[in-house]
This record gives sequence, structure tokens and C-alpha cells, in this order.
Amino acid sequence: GEDVEQSLFLSVREGDSSVINCTYTDSSSTYLYWYKQEPGAGLQLLTYIFSNMDMKQDQRLTVLLNKKDKHLSLRIADTQTGDSAIYFCPRPGYSTLTFGKGTMLLVSP
Amino acid sequence: NAGVTQTPKFQVLKTGQSMTLQCAQDMNHNSMYWYRQDPGMGLRLIYYSASEGTTDKGEVPNGYNVSRLNKREFSLRLESAAPSQTSVYFCASRGGNTGELFFGEGSRLTVL
Repeated sequence: GEDVEQSLFLSVREGDSSVINCTYTDSSSTYLYWYKQEPGAGLQLLTYIFSNMDMKQDQRLTVLLNKKDKHLSLRIADTQTGDSAIYFCPRPGYSTLTFGKGTMLLVSP
Repeated sequence: NAGVTQTPKFQVLKTGQSMTLQCAQDMNHNSMYWYRQDPGMGLRLIYYSASEGTTDKGEVPNGYNVSRLNKREFSLRLESAAPSQTSVYFCASRGGNTGELFFGEGSRLTVL
């Protein structure tokens, strides 16, 4: 099976909160990342969390890490239409990052 | 700082033709990567280079070759293109304080 599991699609209304979830099969890495890919563009690092942290807040973004359940989530408060994109939580390995299919977030006005 | 630069951005090939995708980074990173992205398949690693002078296969290396020309440049070659290689190709380098990947803007390849 995949090393990373994410829901494929999420639809929210502008102003609502969005929560994107990710489950790992391996969580031995130092940092865990969230990447954002806007239509027609490359991937950009959105935020990250150090693996010994439970939570990190960065403006509208909140990252939660449950190491026991190997579960990572990204919460976007006050979601805007500009947040419409694909979001990835890659699994870090020793030399590589393994990406899954990502979660497509669609924000409607 | 240009970051990661890929060329060309768009290319159309006929089956059997060859081409090379170029990638350069100006961040002095040791590790570089080539991924492909296909609808419904996510990003898959083709090849990577953990340091200058080394290359390793990723998840989907068949039909590709790579060259780590120097620390800055990592090229991907299709010797005999096939329609199954129609994809968007992303080059990336890894570094920074958190070991994150920095991606190029992508190269959109169509093989007819």
C-alpha cells in the first residue's frame, strides 16, 4: 500500500475552516512537511513541523501531529479562494520524499 | 536567487524521439531529484542524486537516464520517447534548515 494516505478531495466555502488529514506508515523523520501546488505550478513548501512537536501555528495555518496514531493534519482558518490547490504531506526518507496523490482543496465563494 | 530552473517548459515529441530535460539550482544543495506527475497518480520519483557524482533509481526509472553534471545541474534524458512518458516533470533540490525540497516550475512533455 501507499506510504502516505490522504483524502483525495475536499470542498469548502470561503470563510470556513479546512482540515486536511494525512496518515503515515513510517514517522521516523525529523521534520514533516506540507506542500501546496497551485494549478499549473510547481510545489511550494507551505509549512512544516518538527517531529517532537504536537502543534505548530503559523498565521491561518495550524499543523497537528499525533505521533502515536501517525496522523498529521493541516487546518486552514478562514479559507480563501486563493487556497484552492492540491496539498501534499510527503513521507520523508533518508534521501528522498515520497509524495502521494495529494488532497485537492476547492474553495467556493 | 533563481532557485530551481527547468528547461524547456513545454515540449512535444514524436514516439521514438529523444530529448533531455535540463535542471539547475543555485542554492548549493547536494541532493537533486526528478519526479513525474500524472493525473490520478500523484508525484512519483524517477531518479535522484544524493550528492555530486552519484545517482540512484526511484520508483519509476524505466525509460529514463540521468546525469549529475556538477553540483548545480541534474539532467533527465529520454532516449526513445513513448506516449506513456507524457507527463509533467518536476526537478527539485533538497536543503535548507529543514531539509525541504525546492521545486522547479515543471516541464510539460507530450509524446505523440
